[in-house]
Amino acid sequence: NAGVTQTPKFQVLKTGQSMTLQCAQDMNHNSMYWYRQDPGMGLRLIYYSASEGTTDKGEVPNGYNVSRLNKREFSLRLESAAPSQTSVYFCASSQVGESAGGYNEQFFGPGTRLTVL
Amino acid sequence: LAKTTQPISMDSYEGQEVNITCSHNNIATNDYITWYQQFPSQGPRFIIQGYKTKVTNEVASLFIPADRKSSTLSLPRVSLSDTAVYYCLVGPLGYSSASKIIFGSGTRLSIRP
Repeated sequence: NAGVTQTPKFQVLKTGQSMTLQCAQDMNHNSMYWYRQDPGMGLRLIYYSASEGTTDKGEVPNGYNVSRLNKREFSLRLESAAPSQTSVYFCASSQVGESAGGYNEQFFGPGTRLTVL
Repeated sequence: LAKTTQPISMDSYEGQEVNITCSHNNIATNDYITWYQQFPSQGPRFIIQGYKTKVTNEVASLFIPADRKSSTLSLPRVSLSDTAVYYCLVGPLGYSSASKIIFGSGTRLSIRP
């Protein structure tokens, strides 16, 4: 049981390049999330997916696209990377609703450190 | 949106009880209060969640007064390994709208020997 896994762990891009961050969870959770965390700051929600096939914008969605490929996988794509997107990206998952037993505990992956030059 | 306010940093010593307070004056009726812990270079980890009064688990207690406009995370007998950033979140369990998920800047807790 790996929990939430993210690939890659580190990435350096040049301005204008594109890339996709991968996230997978093996806990059969219905909800998945993408956050970014800038140095010394808290986490900011980029996108959220309540279930397979649905996505919702969070606080800072500009410059990103997401795909909830299936229940396990939720990918984040940067179409044209900018230096302002240099950050650590965290993926998380949780079980939301009655089946969660009254809790919404998010489980986080180890993060992807992205630098855009 | 229920915005939260926490102290930026706190210091304490091993063996002491640490209380971190979070202010959330405009908490909604269906909002719950959740605390997470984050170590450097790691993702946050769930600590505790509650709606009112007191909740206790094996690592912490959460105290919520009747008006629910604030909450206090209590860590009993801290150790050096409790040095981390602690985040208070307020929002509905259903997270029907992603915009309701606000982590804030957190409280940086430093434990000294």
